[in-house]
Amino acid sequence: SYVLTQPPSVSVVPGKTARITCGANNIVSKSVHWYQQKPGQAPVLVMYYNSDRPSGIPERFSGSNSGNTATLTVSRVEVGDEADYYCQVWDSTTDHMVFGGGTKLTVL
Amino acid sequence: QVLLVESGGGVVQPGRSLRLSCAASGFTLSKYGLHWVRQAPGKVLEWVAAISGDGSEEYYADSVKGRFTISRDNAKNTLSLQMSSLTTADTAVYYCARDPGAGLAGNVDSWGQGALVTVSS
Repeated sequence: SYVLTQPPSVSVVPGKTARITCGANNIVSKSVHWYQQKPGQAPVLVMYYNSDRPSGIPERFSGSNSGNTATLTVSRVEVGDEADYYCQVWDSTTDHMVFGGGTKLTVL
Repeated sequence: QVLLVESGGGVVQPGRSLRLSCAASGFTLSKYGLHWVRQAPGKVLEWVAAISGDGSEEYYADSVKGRFTISRDNAKNTLSLQMSSLTTADTAVYYCARDPGAGLAGNVDSWGQGALVTVSS
């Protein structure tokens, strides 16, 4: 099965840039999507097809995908960005949706 | 406004069955695929099942295949998940989620608020 690997945690001070990675074999061949989940809430899509931003998501959020690593970048981080972030792909080999293990973004 | 509202959660004994429903509104259901995604307490997101817009395609996670059945009624704007032979490992919040593609694009653009299923004796 296809496995997505995320760092368990990333810490950043307000105003700086946070980069959350999602690693997998040849992930560049897949479309990567990212979700933000705050405690007690349902996830929210923050990036789709690697680098497309849904309406309502600040321009501070951006995405990229290259080689074996996809990255969600949050610029000028705010306290309100503190949440769990999950990457996700559709594995067409198995027709399964796959989620990464999640990364807790802490704003110091 | 896209709205997905789950119902049918609760406490059930191991080995028993339970049916979850999801009422959809604010969009034409047949134009979108749908998924069930679950999250055990304090754990990560886990995909459960998916169904295409016309219901012709169904896909299941290995952990639930043969025990769970996803179905939809586009005329009634509802999605269902029939769960059988439940175990404690099935305890989770179950989210109904919309896929932007009728043929399943493979991601989720809207989520319900979730329904808690607790499997316990």
